Amino acid sequence: AQSVTQLGSHVSVSEGALVLLRCNYSSSVPPYLFWYVQYPNQGLQLLLKYTSAATLVKGINGFEAEFKKSETSFHLTKPSAHMSDAAEYFCAVSDRSQGNLIFGKGTKLSVKP
Amino acid sequence: EPEVTQTPSHQVTQMGQEVILRCVPISNHLYFYWYRQILGQKVEFLVSFYNNEISEKSEIFDDQFSVERPDGSNFTLKIRSTKLEDSAMYFCASKAGENSPLHFGNGTRLTVT
Repeated sequence: AQSVTQLGSHVSVSEGALVLLRCNYSSSVPPYLFWYVQYPNQGLQLLLKYTSAATLVKGINGFEAEFKKSETSFHLTKPSAHMSDAAEYFCAVSDRSQGNLIFGKGTKLSVKP
Repeated sequence: EPEVTQTPSHQVTQMGQEVILRCVPISNHLYFYWYRQILGQKVEFLVSFYNNEISEKSEIFDDQFSVERPDGSNFTLKIRSTKLEDSAMYFCASKAGENSPLHFGNGTRLTVT
């Protein structure tokens, strides 16, 4: 069975500050890991994914995430927050042989001017 | 860039009524999915569809739910007799291959009164 835990349902940062959104996973097989972003009234957009290649994955909009097997973590970071980053972010895990994603509960990111 | 298109964006229906949510996946994609997100909760997998049949479904996807790909472009989710607890945002998603990323539509917000 697979599961995802996102620590913090709401994170608030100042513009220009570091963004750190936490995700821990549980998987009995080597996982695929994903971060999705959801802007208000829109669908889920893929930010980045880990598929067992490089452990540091770079995504769109300056985001990156590092896969740490020893910590079963896949935290999302961005060095400098922008107002347009305000959205809800979902971490998800998938079994290699299946396509359905198991999502975390999401973290809403607010960016203060 | 091709998109997954969902219509309508918002549907209101009365309890006990049948509702059909419509999706047009990206044209060369072969795998199709429905997810839902009850307000304030995590995104949940409902069903996956490949080669004209359901490949996997969750516990949520009971006999009240059905999916259909009536032609080469549409992928529909039918709820036969809606309940209040079916109120949620329903997301359609598609992907080209087994290990390809999922592309989500903007969702249909279903409100059951």
